Amino acid sequence: KQEVTQIPAALSVPEGENLVLNCSFTDSAIYNLQWFRQDPGKGLTSLLLIQSSQREQTSGRLNASLDKSSGRSTLYIAASQPGDSATYLCAVNSNSNYQLIWGAGTKLIIKP
Amino acid sequence: GAVVSQHPSRVICKSGTSVKIECRSLDFQATTMFWYRQFPKQSLMLMATSNEGSKATYEQGVEKDKFLINHASLTLSTLTVTSAHPEDSSFYICSAKVPSAEAFFGQGTRLTVV
Repeated sequence: KQEVTQIPAALSVPEGENLVLNCSFTDSAIYNLQWFRQDPGKGLTSLLLIQSSQREQTSGRLNASLDKSSGRSTLYIAASQPGDSATYLCAVNSNSNYQLIWGAGTKLIIKP
Repeated sequence: GAVVSQHPSRVICKSGTSVKIECRSLDFQATTMFWYRQFPKQSLMLMATSNEGSKATYEQGVEKDKFLINHASLTLSTLTVTSAHPEDSSFYICSAKVPSAEAFFGQGTRLTVV
């Protein structure tokens, strides 16, 4: 059974720092992996989707990497801003049906 | 990206009553919709998968008679929480997709049962 773990559970850093969020999964047979952002009491915003054949995806200040063999993905945020404060969720899709298995999230606080 | 609208965003209901949550794909026809539940400080958990015109497939531990899912059209799925109790208070979120494409998420519904 696929399990997804995110470390750390919470992170607080000063504005401007570069940071890395980690996601690990137990079954390397994945279809794709997706990173989301969730603001308090709000829905989900998709940030990056990495297909199983890809090693990384980039969007603006965000870069997500995928190492299937080791069951790991990282989300790199460059030059963090207070507006980046949110909970970041990692979700693994094991097949084309898109039934996602979710990590518990990393709550990120960027201090001005 | 495609837009999925979920309504209402917040609802408070009395214990024992039923609540309906709607999930609409606004600019595409969703062959499959998913319903998730998120308790405070926990992961989202898949509740059920529904394909248009057929019965929903529920995950283990989810009571299908309590959480009624209807996917009657390619743009609308509804989740009805029947005889709601305080332990059903949670954040419910839907997603919708077409074959061979990623799923798009609604804004979520915060349900509070008092």
